[in-house]
Amino acid sequence: GEDVEQSLFLSVREGDSSVINCTYTDSSSTYLYWYKQEPGAGLQLLTYIFSNMDMKQDQRLTVLLNKKDKHLSLRIADTQTGDSAIYFCAELRMEYGNKLVFGAGTILRVKS
Amino acid sequence: SQTIHQWPATLVQPVGSPLSLECTVEGTSNPNLYWYRQAAGRGLQLLFYSVGIGQISSEVPQNLSASRPQDRQFILSSKKLLLSDSGFYLCAWSVPRISYEQYFGPGTRLTVT
Repeated sequence: GEDVEQSLFLSVREGDSSVINCTYTDSSSTYLYWYKQEPGAGLQLLTYIFSNMDMKQDQRLTVLLNKKDKHLSLRIADTQTGDSAIYFCAELRMEYGNKLVFGAGTILRVKS
Repeated sequence: SQTIHQWPATLVQPVGSPLSLECTVEGTSNPNLYWYRQAAGRGLQLLFYSVGIGQISSEVPQNLSASRPQDRQFILSSKKLLLSDSGFYLCAWSVPRISYEQYFGPGTRLTVT
């Protein structure tokens, strides 16, 4: 299908790890992205991964890519209350304008 | 460093009134520019994108239009607002390089009454 799919909601306890999952659509997508949106704000780019990589780590963030299954995940280690936000995955579609296609977002709630 | 500005931050307009939202980018040249709408705090819908001055592509038929009068200025307009135009409008830019990541502005909250 055309949609990038994400689970709608995730609740974790402070200090635990969070894993947010995403299924994308275009097997030829070269780049995949994770964005964070806090209430009332724009989207903040967290990280992106090139399709020839399986994993990318950046401090508390780990991105895993399973290209065969078109599955992308974002793991946040030692989740903090400040991590509460909506997380969007997106894939790059190599069309005119090189568009990003976004999932609907996963609401992460961190309980203290 | 690059920055992106949007204004106004919030706007309340009656049905049938005109609209003009502005987005400007600093610190880069010849960016790709994008307008998105986000309804109910969730998914983003791409409305328009531009790869250069005067070059606008529309993603969905609607009550809105976009213009790019200068390299780093992107304007979203409407002649007559509808209730369904309410939402959170986000502008983004990207440099046409290999990773194509987009950077977003702070957004404009539009409420049509």
